[in-house]
Amino acid sequence: GAGVSQSPRYKVAKRGQDVALRCDPISGHVSLFWYQQALGQGPEFLTYFQNEAQLDKSGLPSDRFFAERPEGSVSTLKIQRTQQEDSAVYLCASSGLGALGTEAFFGQGTRLTVV
Amino acid sequence: QKEVEQNSGPLSVPEGAIASLNCTYSDRGSQSFFWYRQYSGKSPELIMFIYSNGDKEDGRFTAQLNKASQYVSLLIRDSQPSDSATYLCARSGNTPLVFGKGTRLSVIA
Repeated sequence: GAGVSQSPRYKVAKRGQDVALRCDPISGHVSLFWYQQALGQGPEFLTYFQNEAQLDKSGLPSDRFFAERPEGSVSTLKIQRTQQEDSAVYLCASSGLGALGTEAFFGQGTRLTVV
Repeated sequence: QKEVEQNSGPLSVPEGAIASLNCTYSDRGSQSFFWYRQYSGKSPELIMFIYSNGDKEDGRFTAQLNKASQYVSLLIRDSQPSDSATYLCARSGNTPLVFGKGTRLSVIA
């Protein structure tokens, strides 16, 4: 596609519910990143894939967060048993390069609100 | 200390003036530096990147990098009200992009 596409754009979840957020990167981009952005803060790194390999998941805040990219293209970020502190915008970015010298292009984000 | 530090602002400049945005970083292994602009409610968009010490110019934007001082800056010449946004500084190296909190810029007409 022309850009990074994320869905849904908005998600309201009841506390304790599981959610799945989808990211469709720019075609041909090997690197894919997930970030979490709270209001008034910069994006916080969650995890990074190169093709289907998850090379870095050091930013995932707890074991309730899980990400996958099984075929090296579309990625899904799953949050189990959502908590109010999970409310944030979840941004996906992709790059044609590796982590070094990355020029990452962002999707529009998914705004998650846990009530 | 956060890896990437930015003054949160707001930085207010009059239309037509030069806006100067600053960023410091702690990881000396950082290799590449990026400036992103983020309008309220929108996702970050890449403005410029810089790898080498010195200045890099692109239209009204100039990025400056001083690796010895671990300092990156972005100058915006002839500031316009449409430049009003949050500017995010980011670095990468042996770890993926790490962002600062951003500086909010307000250009007053």
